[in-house]
Amino acid sequence: GDSVTQMEGPVTLSEEAFLTINCTYTATGYPSLFWYVQYPGEGLQLLLKATKADDKGSNKGFEATYRKETTSFHLEKGSVQVSDSAVYFCALTLSGYSTLTFGKGTMLLVSP
Amino acid sequence: DTAVSQTPKYLVTQMGNDKSIKCEQNLGHDTMYWYKQDSKKFLKIMFSYNNKELIINETVPNRFSPKSPDKAHLNLHINSLELGDSAVYFCASSQNLAGETQYFGPGTRLLVL
Repeated sequence: GDSVTQMEGPVTLSEEAFLTINCTYTATGYPSLFWYVQYPGEGLQLLLKATKADDKGSNKGFEATYRKETTSFHLEKGSVQVSDSAVYFCALTLSGYSTLTFGKGTMLLVSP
Repeated sequence: DTAVSQTPKYLVTQMGNDKSIKCEQNLGHDTMYWYKQDSKKFLKIMFSYNNKELIINETVPNRFSPKSPDKAHLNLHINSLELGDSAVYFCASSQNLAGETQYFGPGTRLLVL
C-alpha cells in the first residue's frame, strides 16, 4: 500500500541552523505531496505542497522539491527559529482521492 | 470565524461510557474526515464523508459511529469506551473528494480512565 517514511526525531538545532527533514514515499499512482506542521497543543496546518514531479513547494522560508526519481520530498529551511519548534508531518494523497496518508512525524526542537 | 471547530477540546471519561465529539466547518466544503492521533503522534484516517455520505471507513471498530446531519457537520460517537481509545481526534475538511488541501480542527483530547 501507499506509505510515507520520515526520519525519526527529535531533531535538535540551534537557532539559525540549517534544517533538513527527510521524507520518502511509496505510492501506486502519482501522488500529491504535503508537509503539515503541528505546533504544541494545536491542530495540523498545511505548510506547503507539490502536486507533480519537480514542483517546489515553499512557505515561511521552508521549501521541499518533489523528486520522482528518488521518491522524496525533503523539507528544508536555511535558518530555523525557536518558533519553528513543532512536529512536522510529510503526507501524500493520490490523484482524485483526498485521504491523506501521513508519515509518523518528526519533532523539531530549536534552542536559542 | 474558526474554519474547522471541534467540541469539546478535552474529554476525560471512564471505561465503558459513551461519548460524542462534534465537528463543524464553515468553509463550504463537501468532504469531511476524522483522524486519530495516538500517543506517539501517529495520525491515521478513520472516516471520510462526502455530502453526508460515508466514503471511507478504515477498519475502525463499530463502537465508533460517525454521523453527518449536513455537509457542514460530522460528529463522532463512541460507545463502550476502552483505554486504547485515549488519543487526540482531529476533524478535517476539504473542498471535495479530489480537493487536496485539508483543513484541520484543533483536536479533541480524549482520556479514558
